Order: sequence, then C-alpha cells, then structure tokens
Amino acid sequence: QVVLTQSPSASASPGASVKVTCTLSSGHSRNAIAWHQQKPEKGPRYLMKVNSDGTYNRGDGIPDRFSGSSSGAERYLTISSLQSDDEADYYCQTWGNGIQGVFGGGTKVTVL
Amino acid sequence: EVNLEESGGGLVQPGGSLRLSCTASVFNFSAHSMNWVRQAPGKGLEWVSYITSSGSYKSYGDSAKGRFAISRDNARKTLFLQMDSLRVDDTAVYYCVRGDAVFGVTYDYWGRGTLVTVSS
Repeated sequence: QVVLTQSPSASASPGASVKVTCTLSSGHSRNAIAWHQQKPEKGPRYLMKVNSDGTYNRGDGIPDRFSGSSSGAERYLTISSLQSDDEADYYCQTWGNGIQGVFGGGTKVTVL
Repeated sequence: EVNLEESGGGLVQPGGSLRLSCTASVFNFSAHSMNWVRQAPGKGLEWVSYITSSGSYKSYGDSAKGRFAISRDNARKTLFLQMDSLRVDDTAVYYCVRGDAVFGVTYDYWGRGTLVTVSS
C-alpha cells in the first residue's frame, strides 16, 4: 500500500516563499497527489492536484500564489508571497488499491 | 458553490450505533463518487470509506471494515454512513468529501464536518 511522508513543519516570513514536500513510497513514484489546506478549527479545503510530470490544476478560487511541482517520488506545494492567512496544516492525499484514500501526516506551516 | 452538509453526529456510548448523513447541493450528485474522512482530536486526516457514483462499489479503511456501511440515495442527493459497534477511538470529526468528476480519486470539495463522540 502506498504511504505518503511529510515533514511535520515548515516556516517562512511574510512575503517569502515556502515549499512543502510530500514523498511517495517506493513503487508509487508515478502517482498523482492532491494538496489540501486546513486552517485552525476549520474543515479542509482542496488546493490542487499535482501529477508526476509536474503539471498541476488548482481548485476553484485558489489563488495563483499556490503552485505545485514534482521530482521523482516527491510532490511539492509552493506558497509564494506568504501571508499570515496561509498559516495552516497542509495535507497531501493519493489513493491506493481498491480506491482507498491515503493521507500524509500533514505539515504545519508557520508564518514567522 | 458546491455545498456538502453533514448531520447526525453526537454523543454515543461504546458499542452503540450512529447514522451520519450528508446532503449535497449545487452539483450533479449522482455523477460523483463520495467519501467519508475523519479526524480525531488533534490528529491528522484518516480516510474511512468510498462509494462510486452509482453505489455499486464500496471500499473501507481497516478501522471501518465490518462495522461501518456507506450508502447513498441519489434521488435525495444524500450520502450516509451507518456506524455500528462504536469504540472510543472512533471519536472524531467526520467529513463528507466529494470525488472529482474524472477519476473520483481526488477529493475536491469537503463538508464542514460533524463531531462524533464515543464515551461512557
């Protein structure tokens, strides 16, 4: 079964960029993944889908400060021009056998 | 805008049952697969169950197998999760989540969630 690994935390100053990484387990480097944002005390929100070739598709209303990319088994979410409102937990998600959903452990992004 | 509204959560004793509902609006419900995802207090997201657009195929996470049952009523635009033999570690916010229209494996809209508390 596919496993997604995320660093627990990331941080950057307002106006800077931050890159969040999601690593697919061995044998699953061609999986697409999705990124979801969860602000404190709120439900998650879909941000984008990132394909293995590095292309990505943002969800409805997601600003272009949010972008995606890929390298091998790694999938990235980059937030540019970081704002205090971007402080949140970010989860990557993919799917395994039998259409079973799989989530990474989440990365807490802090705006310094 | 797409809207998913969960209901049915609450306090239940260990071993008890609960039925969650999710009412959809502003999109063609019958064209999308659906999921339940949960989040225990202070923890990450955990996928619980999946159902195809027609309801013909269902899958469950290990924690839900044999105890939970997902179903849907496309005429009423409603998704259900029947939860039996509830345990303390089932305590979580349960989210209703839509699958994308193409392959159904990307979760593109989330509800606000309903809290289930299992405690004596």
